[in-house]
Amino acid sequence: GQQVMQIPQYQHVQEGEDFTTYCNSSTTLSNIQWYKQRPGGHPVFLIQLVKSGEVKKQKRLTFQFGEAKKNSSLHITATQTTDVGTYFCAHTQGGSEKLVFGKGMKLTVNP
Amino acid sequence: DTGVSQDPRHKITKRGQNVTFRCDPISEHNRLYWYRQTLGQGPEFLTYFQNEAQLEKSRLLSDRFSAERPKGSFSTLEIQRTEQGDSAMYLCASSLTGISTDTQYFGPGTRLTVL
Repeated sequence: GQQVMQIPQYQHVQEGEDFTTYCNSSTTLSNIQWYKQRPGGHPVFLIQLVKSGEVKKQKRLTFQFGEAKKNSSLHITATQTTDVGTYFCAHTQGGSEKLVFGKGMKLTVNP
Repeated sequence: DTGVSQDPRHKITKRGQNVTFRCDPISEHNRLYWYRQTLGQGPEFLTYFQNEAQLEKSRLLSDRFSAERPKGSFSTLEIQRTEQGDSAMYLCASSLTGISTDTQYFGPGTRLTVL
């Protein structure tokens, strides 16, 4: 499946800061999903986006799907220590139900 | 707990041994997936079932790997003649077929260490 690229791979922020991470594809995606994996944990589903330009919010997290459906972003406002973990974007394609994951963005937060 | 469960959570084995992992999906979920995750990487798809039918297999799934879901409920993943390169976290996920792309719910994983 078409790999999605996540940037940056690592992000270290001070508690209270905002930051944005990105997920990019060279081809049009039918959907994008975001998962969070805490250290030592398993991936936990956060959100799915399917429409061009779609924006969804979950408390301090804002997810966006690009107009061309080739990229997505996750913006976290006022980062907290509970936000620590690795955030993955993933997608399905070609009628297959398998998820193709990016390599993830590892977030650490300085209290 | 009504989430996806996996057993065992940890497995240490010697190279050349066979291992079997079990996954119990969320009840009523008709789809079940196996993924493998190594350190610093995202999960990689291995195979998935819809009910008891195995619908897709990755090229990663060599002939030493076999997965079953005989009654459309729990699934097993067997690795024969384990190699050190098989060391990874093996994740199971389940989903319920819907109108749009299914949401996959992951279990806690089985961490395999091959010595």
